[in-house]
Amino acid sequence: QVQLQESGPGLVKPSQTLSLTCTVSGGSISSGSYYWTWIRQPAGKGLEWIGRIYTSGSTNYNPSLKGRVTISVDTSKNQFSLKLSSVTAADTAVYYCARDLGGIAAVGRVDYMDVWGKGTTVTVSS
Amino acid sequence: QSVLTQPPSASGTPGQRVTISCSGSSSNIGSNTVNWYQQLPGTAPKLLIYSNNQRPSGVPDRFSGSKSGTSASLAISGLQSEDEADYYCAAWDDSLISVVFGGGTKLTVL
Repeated sequence: QVQLQESGPGLVKPSQTLSLTCTVSGGSISSGSYYWTWIRQPAGKGLEWIGRIYTSGSTNYNPSLKGRVTISVDTSKNQFSLKLSSVTAADTAVYYCARDLGGIAAVGRVDYMDVWGKGTTVTVSS
Repeated sequence: QSVLTQPPSASGTPGQRVTISCSGSSSNIGSNTVNWYQQLPGTAPKLLIYSNNQRPSGVPDRFSGSKSGTSASLAISGLQSEDEADYYCAAWDDSLISVVFGGGTKLTVL
């Protein structure tokens, strides 16, 4: 079955750009109608949706982070990536990648994340 | 401040039935489906309920979800010690054009 694995630096300096990659295994990132998503969780706090990219390349971002976030996909490597610029200590968190089965049904939008990576901790500190 | 509102904590004894509420608005729960995630200590969240009341394969039928208007609920019957976890509701928000989460409810099995 599909598995996701986050990777990237565990320590980023303030004002720099955080860069993470999520590698998809057990299936093609291009197959099916999926969104590929990033979520984060500061220590001891709740989940925050960062944004997502569709297999076509279209993106949606959390308005509170817009302007700092870029999500991209590399189908040749079966990976998608997150870049978050101008980071501060408030961006310190566990970052998760996930697969989102998004669509529209008679009952409204159906968006749920059925496969998650194990998460990677990113600390912003000088 | 989360867009969806959940009680910060809930508790119950083994065998009891517990419900966790999730309140939203017309732009999220009122218009779209609700999902629930379970996060055991030190692990990644896991999909528990999707599309208001559907259980993924492998999720026990002790877990059930419902939605009415701009609110949703997660019910856990026959509470077990391994149910002790954080539970999050989530939905798409048409105004924010993003997924929104509740703040999470920490369930304690006494």
